[in-house]
Amino acid sequence: AQSVTQLGSHVSVSEGALVLLRCNYSSSVPPYLFWYVQYPNQGLQLLLKYTTGATLVKGINGFEAEFKKSETSFHLTKPSAHMSDAAEYFCAVSVQTGANNLFFGTGTRLTVIP
Amino acid sequence: GAGVSQSPSNKVTEKGKDVELRCDPISGHTALYWYRQSLGQGLEFLIYFQGNSAPDKSGLPSDRFSAERTGGSVSTLTIQRTQQEDSAVYLCASSPTGSRQYFGPGTRLTVT
Repeated sequence: AQSVTQLGSHVSVSEGALVLLRCNYSSSVPPYLFWYVQYPNQGLQLLLKYTTGATLVKGINGFEAEFKKSETSFHLTKPSAHMSDAAEYFCAVSVQTGANNLFFGTGTRLTVIP
Repeated sequence: GAGVSQSPSNKVTEKGKDVELRCDPISGHTALYWYRQSLGQGLEFLIYFQGNSAPDKSGLPSDRFSAERTGGSVSTLTIQRTQQEDSAVYLCASSPTGSRQYFGPGTRLTVT
């Protein structure tokens, strides 16, 4: 079975500061890992994904995440927060076989303080 | 090209009524998923269609929920005898194959 834990339902950072959103996963088989962003009143948008290969994954809007198998983590980072980054962020896991349905974390709401 | 579309965008219904939610996936995508996003439960998987195979219904919360996919394209999620706890945003996603899923904007269902 797969599951995702996102530490911190709310994170606030100052504009220009480092963004770090934490995600730990549980999977009995090699996982696919994703970060999705949801802006207010909009649908889910893929930020980045890890399937195989390079463990440091770069996504849109300057975000990146590193797959660390030993820590079962896939934390999302951005060196410098912008006001436009304020949104809800979801980490998700799926597996490489079968339905590939996504198991989501509970989400982290990012607030950027001017 | 066009993304995943869902209709209606908002639906308000009375408790006990049946509702149908529609999803138009991206053309050519063989896989289609329904998810539910609610305050109490977060984002949960409901059902998965892949081509002509039998759907994976393992996420459906009760037998009041059903879904079909006609002609391998459009899908309808039906909720019978709606309850207040069914209030949520229902998200549809499609995928060509493999990992990435493309999400629609969702249907916000409110059961009064």
